[in-house]
Amino acid sequence: GQNIDQPTEMTATEGAIVQINCTYQTSGFNGLFWYQQHAGEAPTFLSYNVLDGLEEKGRFSSFLSRSKGYSYLLLKELQMKDSASYLCAVRAPGDKIIFGKGTRLHILP
Amino acid sequence: DTAVSQTPKYLVTQMGNDKSIKCEQNLGHDTMYWYKQDSKKFLKIMFSYNNKELIINETVPNRFSPKSPDKAHLNLHINSLELGDSAVYFCASSQDWGEGDEQFFGPGTRLTVL
Repeated sequence: GQNIDQPTEMTATEGAIVQINCTYQTSGFNGLFWYQQHAGEAPTFLSYNVLDGLEEKGRFSSFLSRSKGYSYLLLKELQMKDSASYLCAVRAPGDKIIFGKGTRLHILP
Repeated sequence: DTAVSQTPKYLVTQMGNDKSIKCEQNLGHDTMYWYKQDSKKFLKIMFSYNNKELIINETVPNRFSPKSPDKAHLNLHINSLELGDSAVYFCASSQDWGEGDEQFFGPGTRLTVL
């Protein structure tokens, strides 16, 4: 079966750091995406990991451990505009992209 | 200069009707997708086309029929609409059918079936 787990909601403070975890159990793995989705808008691409390790992109970093079926998205220097849902998605065999249910991140001033 | 566009943005219709949603991308991408996002915000792939060929067809009722007249367009036709079809439908495209290809999403079509 295919299963992707993320926390439903998280809250953090402006200027702080937050880590959003994602665990997956899929029949095969060809890479993991993170997308950001603001309320009422379309998802936008943040990162893609296929090898183990940390990929850094400005304030956002994404980490992958294939052996543990685990990824996280790290957001630094949080800004109010980072309030959004963050979707973890796995590229499975057959190149299907399976999305988790998303983590709604609330940023407090 | 919109990358992925969908029409209409909002669609309100009665049960039993037939409706279409259109999608166009001007990015020169080879692959296009349709996703459904339900009220719980769960995004689920429905179809994918690569160079006008159907690649993915998830367990979607056959009332849903995608049509790709060319690489830049992937339309979604829905017959005999049901209450459970109410959702936001997103079209997306990516450069190719391969690893790491970022998907660009359209603005979504909010379908409400009454």
